[in-house]
Amino acid sequence: AQSVTQLDSHVSVSEGTPVLLRCNYSSSYSPSLFWYVQHPNKGLQLLLKYTSAATLVKGINGFEAEFKKSETSFHLTKPSAHMSDAAEYFCVVWRRYGGSQGNLIFGKGTKLSVKP
Amino acid sequence: NAGVMQNPRHLVRRRGQEARLRCSPMKGHSHVYWYRQLPEEGLKFMVYLQKENIIDESGMPKERFSAEFPKEGPSILRIQQVVRGDSAAYFCASSPPGGGRDNEQFFGPGTRLTVL
Repeated sequence: AQSVTQLDSHVSVSEGTPVLLRCNYSSSYSPSLFWYVQHPNKGLQLLLKYTSAATLVKGINGFEAEFKKSETSFHLTKPSAHMSDAAEYFCVVWRRYGGSQGNLIFGKGTKLSVKP
Repeated sequence: NAGVMQNPRHLVRRRGQEARLRCSPMKGHSHVYWYRQLPEEGLKFMVYLQKENIIDESGMPKERFSAEFPKEGPSILRIQQVVRGDSAAYFCASSPPGGGRDNEQFFGPGTRLTVL
């Protein structure tokens, strides 16, 4: 079965300092993994995705994530936080039924606060 | 190319009324997914539909909830006899035939249902 666990429900950083949002996954096959961001009362925006190509994935707004099979992790990082990064972040794994059919399994989310 | 569209964006219903949520997928997309986000929680999969077919409804409550994606027109998520516990944000996502590139799903802005 596929699942993701986000290790922190809240993360608080100061503007200009690095961001680390942690995610571990469980999958019986090579997973497709995603990070989505949700700003307050808004929809979801895709930050980046891993689909068995390069293990270091670069996304939008300076975010990146590294797929580590040995650690079953897919942590999201950013070198320098900006006030506009304050939002909720979801780690997501794609669950395959068979062939090309499947749906997304979401983690519980990590709320990122950025202090001035 | 317009994104996934959902309407209404906000819906208020009294207990016992019916709620109808609409989702128009992106142009060329034939797969639709509905997710529910309860307050302070991540998104939970509800149902996966293709045109005129329900592929997976394992996340749908057994009673009062139904979904359809007709040959013509938007997908509809219908909640009969709403209760306060149905208050949530309901998100629709779509993907192209064959799952598209990297199994990515594109999300709409959501419908926020409030049951009084």
